[in-house]
Amino acid sequence: DAGVIQSPRHEVTEMGQEVTLRCKPISGHDYLFWYRQTMMRGLELLIYFNNNVPIDDSGMPEDRFSAKMPNASFSTLKIQPSEPRDSAVYFCASSIGTFGEAFFGQGTRLTVV
Amino acid sequence: QKEVEQNSGPLSVPEGAIASLNCTYSDRGSQSFFWYRQYSGKSPELIMFIYSNGDKEDGRFTAQLNKASQYVSLLIRDSQPSDSATYLCAVNPSRGGTSYGKLTFGQGTILTVHP
Repeated sequence: DAGVIQSPRHEVTEMGQEVTLRCKPISGHDYLFWYRQTMMRGLELLIYFNNNVPIDDSGMPEDRFSAKMPNASFSTLKIQPSEPRDSAVYFCASSIGTFGEAFFGQGTRLTVV
Repeated sequence: QKEVEQNSGPLSVPEGAIASLNCTYSDRGSQSFFWYRQYSGKSPELIMFIYSNGDKEDGRFTAQLNKASQYVSLLIRDSQPSDSATYLCAVNPSRGGTSYGKLTFGQGTILTVHP
């Protein structure tokens, strides 16, 4: 398996623009996680899905953030409108079962100017 | 109190020494525990997991778990410069024996192994 695949790897956008990050989990994994990593706050869980259903979105910073998982092999994280403080590395990860270890994608480095 | 706490370091050890990384967690019902390694500019990579009290060894790595003390540690024997990275402790919280399925991470400990 190719592992968790994220796109794009890098994104530079202007404040106010919409940003969409994409993730393809490992085939057969039933959990999908979106994390954000910054120097100040470390690795924060934004939202996670089980069998394509959002389970906990309490980590989503505000209404500008939304995530979807239309099927088992694809998820998106959207920021609209984007702000400079959204600049971070966004990771997608997937796992099997409730105790399974999570495998991370390569991340998307987002810069909002 | 943070859910998962680690000393941010940096922890500096000489090549060949034992590096000891520590982590405490607040959720007493947590069921599984993980150590990830993250090189600068890269994604976290799983190196160890442990579910039961005691020690678990894998090559140069040993994970130790003490649920009564809510404490997890990672020992790296014969440390190498290539071990220089940030080490992240992750905990799988639960309620009433039912896991939430998610991982909560500590801030990470920066380890530097100098020749």
